[in-house]
Amino acid sequence: KQEVTQIPAALSVPEGENLVLNCSFTDSAIYNLQWFRQDPGKGLTSLLLIQSSQREQTSGRLNASLDKSSGRSTLYIAASQPGDSATYLCAVRIGANSKLTFGKGITLSVRP
Amino acid sequence: DGGITQSPKYLFRKEGQNVTLSCEQNLNHDAMYWYRQDPGQGLRLIYYSQIVNDFQKGDIAEGYSVSREKKESFPLTVTSAQKNPTAFYLCASSLPPHTEAFFGQGTRLTVV
Repeated sequence: KQEVTQIPAALSVPEGENLVLNCSFTDSAIYNLQWFRQDPGKGLTSLLLIQSSQREQTSGRLNASLDKSSGRSTLYIAASQPGDSATYLCAVRIGANSKLTFGKGITLSVRP
Repeated sequence: DGGITQSPKYLFRKEGQNVTLSCEQNLNHDAMYWYRQDPGQGLRLIYYSQIVNDFQKGDIAEGYSVSREKKESFPLTVTSAQKNPTAFYLCASSLPPHTEAFFGQGTRLTVV
C-alpha cells in the first residue's frame, strides 16, 4: 500500500529565505507526483505535476524534483514571501486511472 | 472560465438526514473524485468515477453514495448511515493520461 509522508508538519521561516519542502513515498512505481497548495478553508490549487519520466518541473519561484529510486520529491521555494504562507501537499498516482494518495501536508508560515 | 464548482460552500445536516453535495466541472474531464479532509488526517478518497455511468468505492465509502449520469456532474450523497459526517469535502477531476488533478473550493458539512 502506497504511503506518502511529509515532515515536518509545520515550518516557520523569515521572509526572503529559500526553503525546501520534503515528500517521501513508499512505493517507487509511481505514474506521477503532484504538489498542491491549500489556503485555510479553501480547495487545493495545483502547483506542479511531475511525470514519472521527469526529474523536475519549474514554475516561477517554485521547483519540484523527483527521485523515484529513493522515493522522494522536494519542492523548492525561492525567496519566500508572506503570501507563500499556506499548507503544501504532495500526492502520488500509481497509474493513469488510479487515485491520488496524499501526504498530510506541511503548513508553512513566512514571517515578514 | 474552466473549472470545478462545488456547492454549497457550507452545509448543515440534522441527525438522520441525507444531504447531497454538488460537483460540476466544465473541463471536459473523464475522471472525477470525492475526497474527505479531516484535521490531522489528510485527504481520504470516498468515491471515484473514470467514466459516465461507472464509479468505484474509495477507501472510506461507507455511508456515502454517488451517481455519474453526466460527464460534467458527480454529486455525493451523505446518508444517515455516515456516523461522523462533519468534515471538509473536496471534489476533483482529471483527464487521463496526463492526469493533472484539479480541485473545487470544497463544501464544509457540519452536523447540528
